[in-house]
Amino acid sequence: LAKTTQPISMDSYEGQEVNITCSHNNIATNDYITWYQQFPSQGPRFIIQGYKTKVTNEVASLFIPADRKSSTLSLPRVSLSDTAVYYCLGDTGRRALTFGSGTRLQVQP
Amino acid sequence: GAGVSQSPSNKVTEKGKDVELRCDPISGHTALYWYRQRLGQGLEFLIYFQGNSAPDKSGLPSDRFSAERTGESVSTLTIQRTQQEDSAVYLCASSLVGTSGETQYFGPGTRLLVL
Repeated sequence: LAKTTQPISMDSYEGQEVNITCSHNNIATNDYITWYQQFPSQGPRFIIQGYKTKVTNEVASLFIPADRKSSTLSLPRVSLSDTAVYYCLGDTGRRALTFGSGTRLQVQP
Repeated sequence: GAGVSQSPSNKVTEKGKDVELRCDPISGHTALYWYRQRLGQGLEFLIYFQGNSAPDKSGLPSDRFSAERTGESVSTLTIQRTQQEDSAVYLCASSLVGTSGETQYFGPGTRLLVL
């Protein structure tokens, strides 16, 4: 079970790059790291998933160092609409997802 | 295509009453999940369906909670004799085949308030 630890909250301004780091010290060899985003009054939405090195999609980038004990979600040039809770999930080997409390990102104008 | 839908979107009930929450997953998704989210907290897993079977019910908090799925489609979560601590948002998600780490698609949730 990959227990994850991430900051409770972060503040940023529009146009800035935001990096949210998640620690997962006991990640297993077969574990993937997945990030979900949740807006108020909505269900979570998949953002990105990776195993090692760097993964990039149209929404974000995910950096995972060689030891895989942490990962960093990078959101380029955030806007007000990126204000949300971001969850870092470790693959538990179970089909159900295990959510922590997430990181509340507040983007200011 | 259509996403996961849930009904009702909001439900207010009195303590001791039974409630039924409905989830319509994405068509063709064989796996369906129920989660609960209390205010300001992360999601708690309740139950997982593969087809119409529930191989993992480990998250159901008490025997007042039950769920079923029919036609490998619609699922209903039933809470009997509701208590105030049952107040939360109940989220349903579906995924294509139900493998570990597979992307799950969430509905908007049902907000339950038990008075």
